[in-house]
Formats: sequence, C-alpha cells, structure tokens
Amino acid sequence: DIVMTQTPLSLSVTPGQPASISCKSSQSLLHSDGKTYLYWYLQKPGQSPQLLIYEVSNRFSGVPDRFSGSGSGTDFTLKISRVEAEDVGVYYCMQSTLLPRTFGPGTKVDIK
Amino acid sequence: EVQLVESGGGLVQPGGSLRLSCVASGFTFSSYWMSWVRQAPGKGLEWVACLKQDGSEKYYVDSVKGRFTISRDNAKNSLYLQMNSLRVEDTAVYYCARGASPSFWGQGTLVTVSS
Repeated sequence: DIVMTQTPLSLSVTPGQPASISCKSSQSLLHSDGKTYLYWYLQKPGQSPQLLIYEVSNRFSGVPDRFSGSGSGTDFTLKISRVEAEDVGVYYCMQSTLLPRTFGPGTKVDIK
Repeated sequence: EVQLVESGGGLVQPGGSLRLSCVASGFTFSSYWMSWVRQAPGKGLEWVACLKQDGSEKYYVDSVKGRFTISRDNAKNSLYLQMNSLRVEDTAVYYCARGASPSFWGQGTLVTVSS
C-alpha cells in the first residue's frame, strides 16, 4: 500500500497569514494515464470531510482561490494564501492512483 | 444540491452484523462510482470500499475483505455496506461518498462494536 505522510501534523496560523502543508507519498502517484491522483480534503470541526483540491492542483467547485495545490511524483503541497477563521480543521491528503486509496494522517490547523 | 444520507449504524456485539444504507439525491446516482470511508473515534480517515456504476467492479481495503460487501440499487439511488463478523476495531463513523475518489460526502453513521 502507498503510505502518505504529512508535515506538520499541527499548525497554528495568524489570520491573514499564509499556511503550507506538505504531503509525501511512498511511491510516485503518476498514473499510467498521465494523471496524478492526489487530493486534498478539509474536515471542519464536527463536519464531514469536504473536497478542496483534486488531481494535485484543481480547485473543486466553490473552493476559494486562496487554496492552491502543487507538486508532482511523491511531493505535494497545499497552500493557503491568507488564512481565515473558517479554514480551521484537519486537512488530509489522499492518493487514488493505486488501490487501496490511502490518506495522510491529517494536519490540524487552528487560529492563533 | 448533492445529498448523501447514511443510516443503519448502531451498537453491535463483536461477531455481529449490520447493514448500512446511503440514499443519494441531487445527481444521477447511476453515473458515479460510490465509496465508503470510515473514521474511528478521534482518528483519521480510512478508505473502506468502492463500487463501479453498474456494480461490476468492487474493491475493498484488506482489513474488511471477506467480511464486508458493498452493493448498490440504482433504481433506488442507494448504496449499501453489509458488514459481517464485526470486530471492535471496526468501530467508526462510516461515510458514504460520491466517486471512486470521493467528492461529496454524507454526514456519516456511527457503528460501535462492543460487548
């Protein structure tokens, strides 16, 4: 199975400041079809996860443009350009290049 | 608006069975792969299973193979998870999600396996 790791595991951010989360996979997520199936989710307190970014860098419908994703191969990054209070929660990366789908351990983001 | 509503969770003894259901609305259910993902109390997310649109392909995480069965009824816009031989470590909130790479998630249903 592909192992996903995330750093940091927790992050405290001042509103208006940027934030960055790293996600690494134990093997390349480049699929034979040429796509890279790396996703980012946010689980706000008491809620179900919501999709933020699909296939490395594509913002899902309704996701603010302060969220951006980048990376390739085994190294990926989620960036929030200016953190807002509503961005608190746990961020997960997930790979769906290979079965079984696997998630990172999560990065808990709170506001200073 | 996409909606996924799970039901069927509850308290069950080790070795017991439960059947989870998920009713979908707001999209053409029969056009999408569907998935189950679980989250143990205070823990992270774990993908459990996914199922192709016509039910012809299904995949499971190793820890549930042979015990859980994913199925669907496209006429009823419904997804199911039959869980047999339940173990304490199966205790979790189970989410129904649209897609083999989940895009929309339901609110979840809690399964507690305990004696």
